[in-house]
Amino acid sequence: NAGVTQTPKFQVLKTGQSMTLQCAQDMNHEYMSWYRQDPGMGLRLIHYSVGAGITDQGEVPNGYNVSRSTTEDFPLRLLSAAPSQTSVYFCASTRRDQETQYFGPGTRLLVL
Amino acid sequence: GDSVTQMEGPVTLSEEAFLTINCTYTATGYPSLFWYVQYPGEGLQLLLKATKADDKGSNKGFEATYRKETTSFHLEKGSVQVSDSAVYFCAFAKFYNQGGKLIFGQGTELSVKP
Repeated sequence: NAGVTQTPKFQVLKTGQSMTLQCAQDMNHEYMSWYRQDPGMGLRLIHYSVGAGITDQGEVPNGYNVSRSTTEDFPLRLLSAAPSQTSVYFCASTRRDQETQYFGPGTRLLVL
Repeated sequence: GDSVTQMEGPVTLSEEAFLTINCTYTATGYPSLFWYVQYPGEGLQLLLKATKADDKGSNKGFEATYRKETTSFHLEKGSVQVSDSAVYFCAFAKFYNQGGKLIFGQGTELSVKP
């Protein structure tokens, strides 16, 4: 199993550009989540999904969109990037009957 | 509101020293508690967990006990190694069947010198 994979590893954007961060898992996990990690603030939940076709907002959803068309994939879209979105983004997944989250390696995003 | 407070870092120790990283939480109900570790350049991985009061989680020589009366989940290790250098996150899951949402502390960076 590859576990949770994320692409790209690193990206530089200009303010106003759009992009999609990809996340995929091969463990058949029902639940998937996106977090952002900022210095001194730990990880904060952006959006999560409890299954294909079902998504919900987390703590810091503004500026981000998600969709979940398959169990495996959970992309995160930035429609118009802002410098405040400079961060490291982690995707995670878990089974419905578990609490342990499995994290991807992260995407480091720099918005100029 | 729900929150996790961790001891501020960075923490610098010599090899074989005793480690304590304090963690307290604020939450209603009886959350499950976790310690995650992030090695340089990697994602987070679960270190240990405890799901009810007085439970002790342990792994790789690390231990933490779920103390409901003090709302704490302090991480300890008797003898740290250079390979333990990482960032440690305390977290809790309040509603495990709502996507496994986790509330994280700010993280504590540990540096172990030979």
